[in-house]
Parts: sequence; structure tokens; C-alpha cells
Amino acid sequence: EAQVTQNPRYLITVTGKKLTVTCSQNMNHEYMSWYRQDPGLGLRQIYYSMNVEVTDKGDVPEGYKVSRKEKRNFPLILESPSPNQTSLYFCASTGASMNTEAFFGQGTRLTVV
Amino acid sequence: AQSVTQLGSHVSVSEGALVLLRCNYSSSVPPYLFWYVQYPNQGLQLLLKYTSAATLVKGINGFEAEFKKSETSFHLTKPSAHMSDAAEYFCAVSDHGGSQGNLIFGKGTKLSVKP
Repeated sequence: EAQVTQNPRYLITVTGKKLTVTCSQNMNHEYMSWYRQDPGLGLRQIYYSMNVEVTDKGDVPEGYKVSRKEKRNFPLILESPSPNQTSLYFCASTGASMNTEAFFGQGTRLTVV
Repeated sequence: AQSVTQLGSHVSVSEGALVLLRCNYSSSVPPYLFWYVQYPNQGLQLLLKYTSAATLVKGINGFEAEFKKSETSFHLTKPSAHMSDAAEYFCAVSDHGGSQGNLIFGKGTKLSVKP
């Protein structure tokens, strides 16, 4: 079954404590992206990756890091989380063809206190 | 740069009534446009997409959207709303030559369906 898997689904952490949200896809997709969803703001792209070792900033990259060492994995790293990073995060993957549907993970609800 | 604007953050309709969710886009190149749906506590699911093959696009669950270049619009419609249609809907444009790898989303429209 085609899947994008994010972990954890829910996370409460304290300001400044480094955390990683994992994302894995089983479709051999080239593209992977991270979005954050906030009420009234829709989904905003944080980072995206067009292939292994190729990443680029989205619209709201400050405070986040990513890496793409393997095609299937695209972790999101918050080195020093702050309360304004409390949000719902989605990972997505898609193939290079325009006819390939984007698949989204189930989301990670992060609360930073 | 491409952008999308969704008019109306909340839309409420009665069951059986027409659903109309508005989306206008801005793009300097021929756009690739998408509608996604998000049910409560779930990720996003593709409803339909426009990739220049046909201006009227049919999607899942009885939804369709019409691409109107002169109006830079891609409104989503459904003739008769069901209770199960209650969800948040996002219009998006592709920023990467049609691939959905780099999507720019509107702010979303939350659809409520009254019995």
C-alpha cells in the first residue's frame, strides 16, 4: 500500500529541546516536502527536496532543518523549538511526473511549551 | 510567483444544496491546479487536478471544477451536498512544472453541511 508515514503523531515538548519528526515513503518518489498548517493560514511549505542530497527552502524555513540522505526518508529537525513552532505538520511525497498524485502523511501535532 | 486565493474561510450549505467553493490563482505560466480535501484529524487527499487537458475536471465524490483562464479561477462545485462532505478544502497551484512536489496552497475553506 502506498504510504507516507510520519512519527510521532503527537508530541509535546519544552522550549529548546531538540526534536526530530520522521517521514518515510514507500513509493520511490523523488519529491518530498514538509508543510505546517495553522488556522487561517492554510498550509505553508517549510522545506522540500527534489531528490537525495537536494533540498531547498520553502516559504517558512526559519527554525527548521531537513536532510535527505536516502530517497525514502525526509526528517524534519527542530534544533531549538520555540512556542511559535506549535503547529500541525505534514510530510508529502510525489513523483516527478505531473500526473503523479501527492501523498500526505497523517500529520504530527506538535506543542512547544 | 504563483499564488492562490480562496474566497470565504467558512461556507455553510444545507444537505442537498449546491456546493460552490471559490479559488482564484495568480500565475505567470500556464498553471497546474489542484483541489485537496482534509477530513478531521486526517491528512490531505487529492480531489481533482487540472493539467490543461480539459477545462472541466471531474474528481472523486461527485466534485468537479472548471478552469476559466479569463477569470483566473478554478472553482469547486458539487450539485448536491452530503453530510459526509463536511471538511476543509484547499486549492493549490504547482510551482514546479506540473509536479505536485512544490505546491502552493490557499488558506482553505471549511465546509459545513446542515441537515
